[in-house]
Amino acid sequence: EAGVAQSPRYKIIEKRQSVAFWCNPISGHATLYWYQQILGQGPKLLIQFQNNGVVDDSQLPKDRFSAERLKGVDSTLKIQPAKLEDSAVYLCASSLVLGKEPTASTSTHEQYFGPGTRLTVT
Amino acid sequence: EDQVTQSPEALRLQEGESSSLNCSYTVSGLRGLFWYRQDPGKGPEFLFTLYSAGEEKEKERLKATLTKKESFLHITAPKPEDSATYLCALRRGSTLGRLYFGRGTQLTVWP
Repeated sequence: EAGVAQSPRYKIIEKRQSVAFWCNPISGHATLYWYQQILGQGPKLLIQFQNNGVVDDSQLPKDRFSAERLKGVDSTLKIQPAKLEDSAVYLCASSLVLGKEPTASTSTHEQYFGPGTRLTVT
Repeated sequence: EDQVTQSPEALRLQEGESSSLNCSYTVSGLRGLFWYRQDPGKGPEFLFTLYSAGEEKEKERLKATLTKKESFLHITAPKPEDSATYLCALRRGSTLGRLYFGRGTQLTVWP
């Protein structure tokens, strides 16, 4: 089974420029997540989709970040304009379902991560 | 406000020297405690999910346990290939899938 795919793997831009990241989740996974991981920290959720609808974007800096998942499969995350503090690894993850309470015997809420895109803003 | 605290930040072990990593949390309404492994330049790799106090799960040299306030990742007779950053995350009942991650423990196992 193919994992979560992301591109590009690396990107270097100057501040105030724009950048876009692409994610293709595991086939059949309804829920897709974008996380930001700053060096030395754990990932922090930016936005979460269930199919093509936004479930949680409370931590997304909406003045500069946007994301979409138009057909309920692939997703793009955009930053415009970029700031120095946006330098980080952007991780995409997917999980099978959302909404049902998990039990010890189910694995539907486990999130599987892609390799990430390392963004450097100079 | 940190809800997930991992310790130690870094751990160096000699091959075969068993030890434990700690993940303590302060939230109520826990809906899952997750352990991930992250290698340099890669995304986190899922290891375990624990849902209730007293639960234990094992995979090769790793064993994860859960109490009402913390989780431990026990590493038995580690090998150099176990070197990685180990991340702990939790899911709260009041959120819709969001994982709250700790900062991780960077483990180095030398031969």
